[in-house]
Amino acid sequence: KAGVTQTPRYLIKTRGQQVTLSCSPISGHRSVSWYQQTPGQGLQFLFEYFSETQRNKGNFPGRFSGRQFSNSRSEMNVSTLELGDSALYLCASSFSPPGQSYEQYFGPGTRLTVT
Amino acid sequence: QQQVKQSPQSLIVQKGGISIINCAYENTAFDYFPWYQQFPGKGPALLIAIRPDVSEKKEGRFTISFNKSAKQFSLHIMDSQPGDSATYFCAASMRDRGSTLGRLYFGRGTQLTVWP
Repeated sequence: KAGVTQTPRYLIKTRGQQVTLSCSPISGHRSVSWYQQTPGQGLQFLFEYFSETQRNKGNFPGRFSGRQFSNSRSEMNVSTLELGDSALYLCASSFSPPGQSYEQYFGPGTRLTVT
Repeated sequence: QQQVKQSPQSLIVQKGGISIINCAYENTAFDYFPWYQQFPGKGPALLIAIRPDVSEKKEGRFTISFNKSAKQFSLHIMDSQPGDSATYFCAASMRDRGSTLGRLYFGRGTQLTVWP
């Protein structure tokens, strides 16, 4: 079974621009979460989607948004990019029917560099 | 506020030795504790996980020990190999209201180096 795929793998943007990152979960997984990884802050939760609905949101400004499609694929968008948004953005998927396990499987990430 | 505290920050172990990484948490609502392994340029890979009703779980050379009363858990890597050299993250998860899966709170990571 193919793992979580994320595109693009690398991205360079300038301050003020916006960016859209894409995530395809493992086949059959319906939950998708996004995390930001930086050397300074470590791994931080951005948001979680299930059945095209945002179920949970981390402590990030409104410039960070996301959505999920009917096929469980997800996108996240960052508008008005700042230098501090440079990070590895990770998507994780889970089968996670209610009341069961929480195993989350991460993709390889998208490395975003803001100049 | 760091919900999960991980130590040490870095660890050097000789080949064949035991690597031990420790984590501590405060929030008793956490109900799932996974460990992830991350190689440079890759995403974190789920290694092993435990729930608080179990005190130990072993998978191959990897063992999680869990102490619910002390709110601590640790990863033991037996017979450590150079290929185990990576960054290891502990995490804790709980379901926020309305959430369908646990949000992961990660430790800051331990960089493990295994010398041949």
